[in-house]
Amino acid sequence: DFVMTQSPDSLAVSLGERATINCKSSQSVLYRPNNKNYLAWYQQKPGQPPKLLIYWASTRESGVPDRFSGSGSGTDFTLTISSLQAEDVAVYHCQQYYTSPLTFGGGTKVEIK
Amino acid sequence: QVQLVESGGGVVQPGRSLRLSCAASGFTFSSHAMHWVRQAPGKGLEWVALISYDGSNAYYADSVRGRFTISRDNSKNTFYLQMNSLTTEDTSVYYCARDRDRRSSIHVFDYWGQGILVTVSS
Repeated sequence: DFVMTQSPDSLAVSLGERATINCKSSQSVLYRPNNKNYLAWYQQKPGQPPKLLIYWASTRESGVPDRFSGSGSGTDFTLTISSLQAEDVAVYHCQQYYTSPLTFGGGTKVEIK
Repeated sequence: QVQLVESGGGVVQPGRSLRLSCAASGFTFSSHAMHWVRQAPGKGLEWVALISYDGSNAYYADSVRGRFTISRDNSKNTFYLQMNSLTTEDTSVYYCARDRDRRSSIHVFDYWGQGILVTVSS
């Protein structure tokens, strides 16, 4: 199975500052024939289901603010919130969809400092 | 608008069975693969099972294979998770979720239900 490891487990960032979350896969999720990384990011607010933010490692889902961006390739990925807003307090999860079983990282909790 | 509504959760004793349902609306249900994803209290997300858009293929996490069965009824816009031989380790909020792309093998979840709690306890 592909093991997804997120870091840090939690972070506190001041409003308007940058938040950076890392996700590392135990194996590459880059599919060479189409040069796409099979990696998605989700945001989960307390008491709510997850919400899709980014897929193909860097493609924002429709309606997601452009302060959210994804980067990386192969085994190492990053979700960046460029200017943290109060409504961004949540747990963020990465997920690989390169192969079954689909697997998620353990989640990163983002709070306001 | 797309809606996914789970039902069938509750408290069940270890070793017993439970069937979850997910009623879908607002989209062409028969064109999308569907999933169950669970989250134990205070824990991360765990993918449980997938059924293809036409019901011809199903895939499972190792932790539930042989005990859980996913199925769908496209005429009712509903899919199911039959859970047998439940253990305390199965205690979780269970979410149903939709594949973003139609008739695709790209398994990204763009819509989720609100989740339903299954508690396995004696």
